[in-house]
Amino acid sequence: IAGITQAPTSQILAAGRRMTLRCTQDMRHNAMYWYRQDLGLGLRLIHYSNTAGTTGKGEVPDGYSVSRANTDDFPLTLASAVPSQTSVYFCASSGDTGELFFGEGSRLTVL
Amino acid sequence: EDQVTQSPEALRLQEGESSSLNCSYTVSGLRGLFWYRQDPGKGPEFLFTLYSAGEEKEKERLKATLTKKESFLHITAPKPEDSATYLCAVDGLRGGFKTIFGAGTRLFVKA
Repeated sequence: IAGITQAPTSQILAAGRRMTLRCTQDMRHNAMYWYRQDLGLGLRLIHYSNTAGTTGKGEVPDGYSVSRANTDDFPLTLASAVPSQTSVYFCASSGDTGELFFGEGSRLTVL
Repeated sequence: EDQVTQSPEALRLQEGESSSLNCSYTVSGLRGLFWYRQDPGKGPEFLFTLYSAGEEKEKERLKATLTKKESFLHITAPKPEDSATYLCAVDGLRGGFKTIFGAGTRLFVKA
């Protein structure tokens, strides 16, 4: 059982470059999310999607975009990376009961 | 605005020394309060959901309780393998699909 698969596991990126973090789920959950986790700040919601074809902004959406073309995939794009986007990014999904199922994370360093 | 505050930031226990972690929350109508466990380098893993004041849930050495303003995660006779970061999160009625997380409590259990 895979659950949530994220790629890449880690990446070092030059400032100004474009980067897409991939997320795929195999649980047929309607809702999907992207969080970033920074030391001392906990998990902060970037963007979410209630169902395929719809997306919404979370707490810290600036500099990020998402798309939800189908139920399984929810990629996160950084159009022009900046050092403050250095973080660990977690993708998650949820079903009707509300608990989140997380991937293993993507560690991104922007230099 | 929904808010979650966890205390302490870090807790060091001897094996067998019981204690409690605190989660204070402010939410516009609670849909659910969640506890997660996160091991270093991993994604958070779901532990419990609590829906209403007075509710309790147990799993092995962990018991979660809920009041109208706080939740406690009680750890009875902890073992070194209980060492992890414990995250509290809330879903508010007005927040829709936006689960808000606290910064977490890092628990260290020494043998």
